[in-house]
Amino acid sequence: AQRVTQPEKLLSVFKGAPVELKCNYSYSGSPELFWYVQYSRQRLQLLLRHISRESIKGFTADLNKGETSFHLKKPFAQEEDSAMYYCALSAGFGNEKLTFGTGTRLTIIP
Amino acid sequence: DAGVTQSPTHLIKTRGQHVTLRCSPISGHKSVSWYQQVLGQGPQFIFQYYEKEERGRGNFPDRFSARQFPNYSSELNVNALLLGDSALYLCASSSSGYEQYFGPGTRLTVT
Repeated sequence: AQRVTQPEKLLSVFKGAPVELKCNYSYSGSPELFWYVQYSRQRLQLLLRHISRESIKGFTADLNKGETSFHLKKPFAQEEDSAMYYCALSAGFGNEKLTFGTGTRLTIIP
Repeated sequence: DAGVTQSPTHLIKTRGQHVTLRCSPISGHKSVSWYQQVLGQGPQFIFQYYEKEERGRGNFPDRFSARQFPNYSSELNVNALLLGDSALYLCASSSSGYEQYFGPGTRLTVT
């Protein structure tokens, strides 16, 4: 069974401070991991996926298979980063069934 | 392109009734997926359709059904509505295996 755990429902960080949103997963195969973001009054959108190894809006995430984690990090938080963040997993490239975590609401304090 | 569109935006139904939700994918996208998002939870996968064929089904009762039309638009049908079906229903489209683009959702309230 696939499972994604985001242990923090709420996270507040001061502007300019580092951000880390935690994500742990459970899956027996080789999953593909994603971070989705939902800004206020906007639709859910892809932030990054581990296979692309890109840095989007200053965010990075490294897949740690040993710890089954895919934490999202940013060295210096900006006010526009305030949003709802969801970690998601699929069974592999091309498999479009996404299993989402419960989400973390990130608030950047000015 | 307006992106993925969904209709209606919101609706209210009574227990036992039936509801049909609609989704239009981004032009050129042949894959459509449906998700249910209950308040305070992440989206939960219901169905995926590709080229009018069901490609995947989540852990939902048979009251939930869907179909995809030749123009790749899709409908999600829910019969015998229960209070627990109250949720935001999201549609996502993709170009097969690539990024999924989500619609704004349909907010269903069952009373």
